[in-house]
This record gives sequence, C-alpha cells and structure tokens, in this order.
Amino acid sequence: ETGVTQTPRHLVMGMTNKKSLKCEQHLGHNAMYWYKQSAKKPLELMFVYNFKEQTENNSVPSRFSPECPNSSHLFLHLHTLQPEDSALYLCASSQDFQGSNYGYTFGSGTRLTVV
Amino acid sequence: DAKTTQPTSMDCAEGRAANLPCNHSTISGNEYVYWYRQIHSQGPQYIIHGLKNNETNEMASLIITEDRKSSTLILPHATLRDTAVYYCIVRADRPKISSGSARQLTFGSGTQLTVLP
Repeated sequence: ETGVTQTPRHLVMGMTNKKSLKCEQHLGHNAMYWYKQSAKKPLELMFVYNFKEQTENNSVPSRFSPECPNSSHLFLHLHTLQPEDSALYLCASSQDFQGSNYGYTFGSGTRLTVV
Repeated sequence: DAKTTQPTSMDCAEGRAANLPCNHSTISGNEYVYWYRQIHSQGPQYIIHGLKNNETNEMASLIITEDRKSSTLILPHATLRDTAVYYCIVRADRPKISSGSARQLTFGSGTQLTVLP
C-alpha cells in the first residue's frame, strides 16, 4: 500500500453510463493529480488540484469531470465516454502542488474499459 | 522541462547490478533528475532524485555526470521484482507558477528493465 487508494480497481462501462473513480490519500498531502495511461503510451497529466482548488486542466474533454471536496479525496466523474477512453487512470498526491523534493505518491490505478 | 532520452529496453541478470542510463543534455541549472519505476499494471513508484551530487538510498544510487548532461540509476543487486519500466524525468525545483504544466512531472516512454533468472 502506498497511502494512495483508488477504487474501483477495474471498471467496465457502456458509452452511455455515468460512473465515478475515487482516490483517497492518508499522507497529509495537499496536492492531488489525475493521470491517464493508455496502452503503449506515456502517462498523460489530466488534472491538478492544490488545497482543493483546481490549478490545471490539460485540455481534457468535458466528459471527464474532476471533483476535490477536500485535500484527502479526489474524484473523476465519467459520462458518455468513448472506447478510446479505455485506459489505466492513476491518482497521485504530493506534499505541495509543485511536488518539489518530495516526489509524487501514486495509487495502483483504475483499469477502465469502455464498451 | 528538459527532454530525456533512455534506451527502450535492457536486460540484467538476477543478483547483478543494473545500470540504467539517461541523457538530459538540455538540462537547466535548477532542474533536478528524478527516477520513478512502474511495475506492470501498478502506479509509478518514486525511487530517487538529485541535482548535482550522487545520491544513494535504500533502493538505488544515482550517479550524475559533472556536466549534468547524463545520469545513471544503479540497482546494486537486481531481483526479479525489479522488472519494471524505469522513467528518468528532469524537472525544475519550485518552478514559477506561470510555467503551467512544466512544473508537473512529465513522463516519457522509459526503459523496460527485465531481470532474468
């Protein structure tokens, strides 16, 4: 266990479904991140939150909607996804949003399959 | 952030040292070298980072050349559980807020290290 917990570990959803991914960290970190990792591709940063405030959205389609109710929890709400959105979705946290000298702690990810 | 170049794949015999190279010839003076690894179907794991001096922790050693244009991650006694993709990342320490996504970790393709029995 890394201290960053993601649920569910696996998710299969239809293109018309609405689902949510959850991330929880017990490390006392103030910044949280969503990354996407598609097959054979590098990790792509999606969203950054610092002290519950979104500081970055890397041109992510609106069918992905993040929510950060507090510094310990991060959600990714999904609706009307496409098959190409199938990927491993990773949550990470860091001491501060710049992550300087402390590194990032990642969860184990949610393997999403859109059918 | 500076771009890094790593070999696509490497093999290493179990029990031997694994030396993973990384080129970062355009690194700036305030950029650190970070190493992460990702075991199959898991999230990346922080290994080590450094600025100028060589660093060592319980997982690995990081050797940075004097001109800082390249570095080597050393796993002193590789085990089968060290089989993973290893990422070398350079990133400024406390970059300015205005630098946008550059202040975040940007992952490349990494090196697939396979430890052979």
